[in-house]
Amino acid sequence: DAGVIQSPRHEVTEMGQEVTLRCKPISGHDYLFWYRQTMMRGLELLIYFNNNVPIDDSGMPEDRFSAKMPNASFSTLKIQPSEPRDSAVYFCASKTDGSSYEQYFGPGTRLTVT
Amino acid sequence: AQSVTQPDIHITVSEGASLELRCNYSYGATPYLFWYVQSPGQGLQLLLKYFSGDTLVQGIKGFEAEFKRSQSSFNLRKPSVHWSDAAEYFCAVGAVGTGFQKLVFGTGTRLLVSP
Repeated sequence: DAGVIQSPRHEVTEMGQEVTLRCKPISGHDYLFWYRQTMMRGLELLIYFNNNVPIDDSGMPEDRFSAKMPNASFSTLKIQPSEPRDSAVYFCASKTDGSSYEQYFGPGTRLTVT
Repeated sequence: AQSVTQPDIHITVSEGASLELRCNYSYGATPYLFWYVQSPGQGLQLLLKYFSGDTLVQGIKGFEAEFKRSQSSFNLRKPSVHWSDAAEYFCAVGAVGTGFQKLVFGTGTRLLVSP
């Protein structure tokens, strides 16, 4: 099993540019989660999907952030326009339905906005 | 809303010494509890989990945790720390109202291992 795959692993961009982060969940997993990790705020849940449908996006900081899951094997998190305060590590995680409750995390994407 | 408190931001332990990382949660009923570890530059990896039954749970890498309902705690322990255990450790609770699918994480404890 390849685990959760995220790309790119590192992204450096200038303020105002559009940034797209990508995630491929573990095959067969029904849930997908996007987290953001910063020193100041720790690990925050941004949004999660069940069967490709967004369930809770209350953690999305503002309208500049959007997430999609067009199919069971792919999700994107887009920031447009990006700002320096968006600099963070963004993690994707997936899990199966049912009673396992364990989330499997990807390696993360380190985003730096200058 | 549920919350998780990890009161220690940093802990330094000598290699070979025992370790205990503290975690307190807020939830009235039996919670679903987890400990994750994050090595530098890596994602989070599950160490162990508690749903019900035996209050002492064993995990990977020689870790164990004990659920104490009376103290609302789920402390992580290891009898002998290795240098490779240096990492950040996160306690988490399954959020009620989401069927426990959503996790609420603590702020983490960074473990430093001295020679």
